[in-house]
Amino acid sequence: DTGVSQDPRHKITKRGQNVTFRCDPISEHNRLYWYRQTLGQGPEFLTYFQNEAQLEKSRLLSDRFSAERPKGSFSTLEIQRTEQGDSAMYLCASSGQGLTYEQYFGPGTRLTVT
Amino acid sequence: LAKTTQPISMDSYEGQEVNITCSHNNIATNDYITWYQQFPSQGPRFIIQGYKTKVTNEVASLFIPADRKSSTLSLPRVSLSDTAVYYCLVVNTDKLIFGTGTRLQVFP
Repeated sequence: DTGVSQDPRHKITKRGQNVTFRCDPISEHNRLYWYRQTLGQGPEFLTYFQNEAQLEKSRLLSDRFSAERPKGSFSTLEIQRTEQGDSAMYLCASSGQGLTYEQYFGPGTRLTVT
Repeated sequence: LAKTTQPISMDSYEGQEVNITCSHNNIATNDYITWYQQFPSQGPRFIIQGYKTKVTNEVASLFIPADRKSSTLSLPRVSLSDTAVYYCLVVNTDKLIFGTGTRLQVFP
């Protein structure tokens, strides 16, 4: 396994459109995370899954955002009715049940809302 | 979670040792200290984690004094490829809280 993958790498959309991003974690990892990062800032936590259960959701995640991990493997993050403020890098990470807080991040999906 | 404070930026030259200090005055008993590195247009990468004293791996060393109110990430003999943003995090759950990090620029 080569690591966490995300698709697409870049997405340009018009305001008001819906977008969906996919994350494929490292295969043996049962935990999956979504973060959002804007220019000059560190990543901000959005949500977290253990297997298929969504265990925590940030207040940053408005009603327009929804994430799923239906079979405990890949995950999708959907943004409905996109706004210009949604423009950011969306990062996915995964981790196993280890002794460290090491998360393996994917390359991210850069979203631009015009 | 304890708030962390680290320098906004640092400059160094190739071959030098770089020490980045992070303060976390309100660290709790069950908190760990973790450092991540991020290159432009990539996700962060875990560097090292510690609880107290000194931890060393093939990439870096982490020094934590007895009071644990600060920590220092030490990068030996940096190269141009170490130019990146370095984040200090205090963690006790899987939810990582990143600050703005320290932007390290290595010059030839």
